[in-house]
Amino acid sequence: EAAVTQSPRNKVAVTGGKVTLSCNQTNNHNNMYWYRQDTGHGLRLIHYSYGAGSTEKGDIPDGYKASRPSQENFSLILELATPSQTSVYFCASGQNSDYTFGSGTRLLVI
Amino acid sequence: QQKVQQSPESLSVPEGGMASLNCTSSDRNFQYFWWYRQHSGEGPKALMSIFSDGDKKEGRFTAHLNKASLHVSLHIRDSQPSDSALYFCAAHDTNAYKVIFGKGTHLHVLP
Repeated sequence: EAAVTQSPRNKVAVTGGKVTLSCNQTNNHNNMYWYRQDTGHGLRLIHYSYGAGSTEKGDIPDGYKASRPSQENFSLILELATPSQTSVYFCASGQNSDYTFGSGTRLLVI
Repeated sequence: QQKVQQSPESLSVPEGGMASLNCTSSDRNFQYFWWYRQHSGEGPKALMSIFSDGDKKEGRFTAHLNKASLHVSLHIRDSQPSDSALYFCAAHDTNAYKVIFGKGTHLHVLP
């Protein structure tokens, strides 16, 4: 069954440390997305990609980088994690606005 | 300004009742709409799409779109406790090839 798998499911990081969130999809979708979900804000787009080698800034890209080394994999990188980046992060793959989301990564930055 | 606005923020309905959720867009580039549902601890899942004016029915769920007013709604009849979830309205920005989500409506179906 086609799916989007995120790892890790939970992560505790220290302020100033580097964090990498990984996402793998078996849907063969060209487009992939990273969102964060916070109470009162809904889902906010951080970065997205149209295919291997491409990354685009979303609505809230500051403090985040993204990498798309292959069709299947899309990573979100926090070079210098801050407590304000404590959140639940969702990866999605999509075609024609029909998105499949992963189960999320809960990140706590202390 | 939030480009996709949902109301109400929270809604409680009795089991077997009708739940009505609303969504309004402020951008005429948003022509295609989706409803997503998220149960606690899970990622959002696509529930149904609506691209044309009028009603679209899928089982107990009916979506309605009015493109002139950029208003879309979701009606759930015979609501079940398993329908309790966070519901997102999403609009496809055809200029940017991305989907914009509203803040969501918490639906509580009371047994």
